[in-house]
Amino acid sequence: DTEVTQTPKHLVMGMTNKKSLKCEQHMGHRAMYWYKQKAKKPPELMFVYSYEKLSINESVPSRFSPECTNSSLLNLHLHALQPEDSALYLCASSQEPSGGAREQYFGPGTRLTVT
Amino acid sequence: AQRVTQPEKLLSVFKGAPVELKCNYSYSGSPELFWYVQYSRQRLQLLLRHISRESIKGFTADLNKGETSFHLKKPFAQEEDSAMYYCALREGGSQGNLIFGKGTKLSVKP
Repeated sequence: DTEVTQTPKHLVMGMTNKKSLKCEQHMGHRAMYWYKQKAKKPPELMFVYSYEKLSINESVPSRFSPECTNSSLLNLHLHALQPEDSALYLCASSQEPSGGAREQYFGPGTRLTVT
Repeated sequence: AQRVTQPEKLLSVFKGAPVELKCNYSYSGSPELFWYVQYSRQRLQLLLRHISRESIKGFTADLNKGETSFHLKKPFAQEEDSAMYYCALREGGSQGNLIFGKGTKLSVKP
């Protein structure tokens, strides 16, 4: 299995809802990432998990809460989001967080709309 | 300060014409440079990395440290090359995060 999978594909939620995005990889990668991509913009890094521990938080608001359940599964919990949080949320993984084997494999993304 | 600059938002060429997508970076150390491609309705995927010095789908990119550039080139563009191309930099010693340029949309016309 050489893919990163993400569910759901699409999500519409109200500003008072609580929802979660899920990301899974079975390539034995030890680093996982969350990116946010607005329309016609490049991906922007949100979080990096390295060996199941949060290693980078790019000053993301607390209404986004990542969780690494195990080495294969990464969640992004969403609560009290704003309409401007609507975007494509991309998950990626790499074999190692540093060193030579750091090619990142991206999932297809979850298209989030906050109403 | 912008670390990765892709000066062209849109590049339009005819099929069979040469194509060059420009990328300049700003970093004083030893960067790792990548080109990622995103075809319509498909996931972002790695196209090239400078350390591999490989040719993928006819594309090549050479790291020029003097000019701090990593331009992507292909001698004969094909319609299926139409996509969004992102140049990305990873700083040496970092924990794996990529810094993306704003992207160039390549349109290859028949």
